[in-house]
Amino acid sequence: DQQVKQNSPSLSVQEGRISILNCDYTNSMFDYFLWYKKYPAEGPTFLISISSIKDKNEDGRFTVFLNKSAKHLSLHIVPSQPGDSAVYFCAASAGNYGQNFVFGPGTRLSVLP
Amino acid sequence: ETGVTQTPRHLVMGMTNKKSLKCEQHLGHNAMYWYKQSAKKPLELMFVYSLEERVENNSVPSRFSPECPNSSHLFLHLHTLQPEDSALYLCASSQGPPGHLNSPLHFGNGTRLTVT
Repeated sequence: DQQVKQNSPSLSVQEGRISILNCDYTNSMFDYFLWYKKYPAEGPTFLISISSIKDKNEDGRFTVFLNKSAKHLSLHIVPSQPGDSAVYFCAASAGNYGQNFVFGPGTRLSVLP
Repeated sequence: ETGVTQTPRHLVMGMTNKKSLKCEQHLGHNAMYWYKQSAKKPLELMFVYSLEERVENNSVPSRFSPECPNSSHLFLHLHTLQPEDSALYLCASSQGPPGHLNSPLHFGNGTRLTVT
């Protein structure tokens, strides 16, 4: 059973608009959450993270929101750019220095010019 | 430029071959990982090494054998693999204990393995 779910396999957004990628988790012990971006033929690149003591973390165009009661997090990209087109993975870990990261299946984002 | 380097980038091997994947990290991290990414499946953790000691082995078949000679290098030795082992194998590192809590993984670009 998947502990980290990304229910949208793909998402298309117009350039300049907001992209919202969603992630749900089932393990209430998770306390550290990350988003990664992956281009073809490259490894995942770390984008942004959030710990469970916060509900929002922002870094430039990227903002991650955490709703612990709903076990839901989302990544907002504003404004979206064609170079943001990639597969986005949500990941979570439960303490222990994050050695047991669990990844979602990914959402493919296409930003249309 | 990634701080985690994996070689080779592509590997084709027969089921009776023995080969090794190599990973080197230049980030001063003390934890290293092997992940497997199969088509249409999430990234699967295979092995974790912290301070050169194996701390996680996610029920990986013995035909995969990891080796961590020091905190900068990680190998995955492959022996008598099956076609279903064809996948992208990703190495990662992080600042594990006794370093920073909540340190993200930094990935290499992976080795695309095809078993024929």
